Amino acid sequence: IAGITQAPTSQILAAGRRMTLRCTQDMRHNAMYWYRQDLGLGLRLIHYSNTAGTTGKGEVPDGYSVSRANTDDFPLTLASAVPSQTSVYFCASSGQGNYGYTFGSGTRLTVV
Amino acid sequence: AQSVTQLGSHVSVSEGALVLLRCNYSSSVPPYLFWYVQYPNQGLQLLLKYTTGATLVKGINGFEAEFKKSETSFHLTKPSAHMSDAAEYFCAVTTPAGNQFYFGTGTSLTVIP
Repeated sequence: IAGITQAPTSQILAAGRRMTLRCTQDMRHNAMYWYRQDLGLGLRLIHYSNTAGTTGKGEVPDGYSVSRANTDDFPLTLASAVPSQTSVYFCASSGQGNYGYTFGSGTRLTVV
Repeated sequence: AQSVTQLGSHVSVSEGALVLLRCNYSSSVPPYLFWYVQYPNQGLQLLLKYTTGATLVKGINGFEAEFKKSETSFHLTKPSAHMSDAAEYFCAVTTPAGNQFYFGTGTSLTVIP
């Protein structure tokens, strides 16, 4: 692993189903983030975690939950997927100093 | 609070021509500013950043940007466009103590041969 790994790469999900998107980093970054990217809207923050054991809500948190049990992992869960959650999801991390994010390669999720 | 506005969701330039992608920010405290590039079906990669010091910053692939406090701008330029520069570009702002980055809506750059 080098950087951030996201899984799965893509997924088609039936509405109402539960889904967890995985994110793992090996850089020992304290802060981690989940964004969704939609055409014309750019990247919008869903949830973030400044350090292991803490999480916070971003701009569009409804319908999503996260946990941060350790430094490396930051899974994003959709408890009951809806079509409006069709998007590309990016996980990111940053180290001390706010000098920039490292992004994963994204998960393309389609809810039908 | 911080925000970013990218003027022009689509920009087309000829190969070899100047690239200019515009970004204006809003921040109540001195900002940290970033440009990211996203190639198709990939994540975002950091092009360059301004935190403190010299206001003209150079990044990868020949790109540079200048922080202009008086204009609240951080426009991205490249003297001569290459076909490989075709991508989506995002400007972002945060602060030294900020919890998150705020991204613009992106500018899609097309390079015409």
